[in-house]
Amino acid sequence: DAGVIQSPRHEVTEMGQEVTLRCKPISGHNSLFWYRQTMMRGLELLIYFNNNVPIDDSGMPEDRFSAKMPNASFSTLKIQPSEPRDSAVYFCASGAPGTKYSPLHFGNGTRLTVT
Amino acid sequence: GDSVTQMEGPVTLSEEAFLTINCTYTATGYPSLFWYVQYPGEGLQLLLKATKADDKGSNKGFEATYRKETTSFHLEKGSVQVSDSAVYFCALLYSSASKIIFGSGTRLSIRP
Repeated sequence: DAGVIQSPRHEVTEMGQEVTLRCKPISGHNSLFWYRQTMMRGLELLIYFNNNVPIDDSGMPEDRFSAKMPNASFSTLKIQPSEPRDSAVYFCASGAPGTKYSPLHFGNGTRLTVT
Repeated sequence: GDSVTQMEGPVTLSEEAFLTINCTYTATGYPSLFWYVQYPGEGLQLLLKATKADDKGSNKGFEATYRKETTSFHLEKGSVQVSDSAVYFCALLYSSASKIIFGSGTRLSIRP
């Protein structure tokens, strides 16, 4: 199993540009989570999906952020327009269906730098 | 609401020292409890878990016991190594359809 795959690993962009982060969850997992991690705020949940449906997006900071999950094997997190304060590491995680015993599996993250 | 509280870091120890990282939780039901570890430049990895009261999770020499009476899930290791240097997160989860709740993380540094 390849695990959760995120791309790109690093993204450097200028303020005002659109940024798209991508995630491929583990096959068979039916929940998907997007997190943001910074030194100041730690690990923050942005949004999560269950069976491709957004369940809770209360952590999405502003309308500049949007996330989609068009099918069970792919999700995107888009920032438009990007700002320097969006600089962070963004993690995607997926979870198996069924019970509360299944932990989340994290990707290695995308480090975003907005200049 | 439900929450997880971890001891503040950073924690710095010498190699072969005994480690305890405290974790307490507030929950209205009966969640599963987890410890995750994050090595530099990587995502979080599951270290161990416990699914009900009095369960002991263990992995790589680390242990934690689910204590319902004290609402705690402290992480312990008898003899730490330099390779244990990482950030450790305590977490709780009710179901795969709900969101996992993480503590703020504790940075651990081990001196040779």
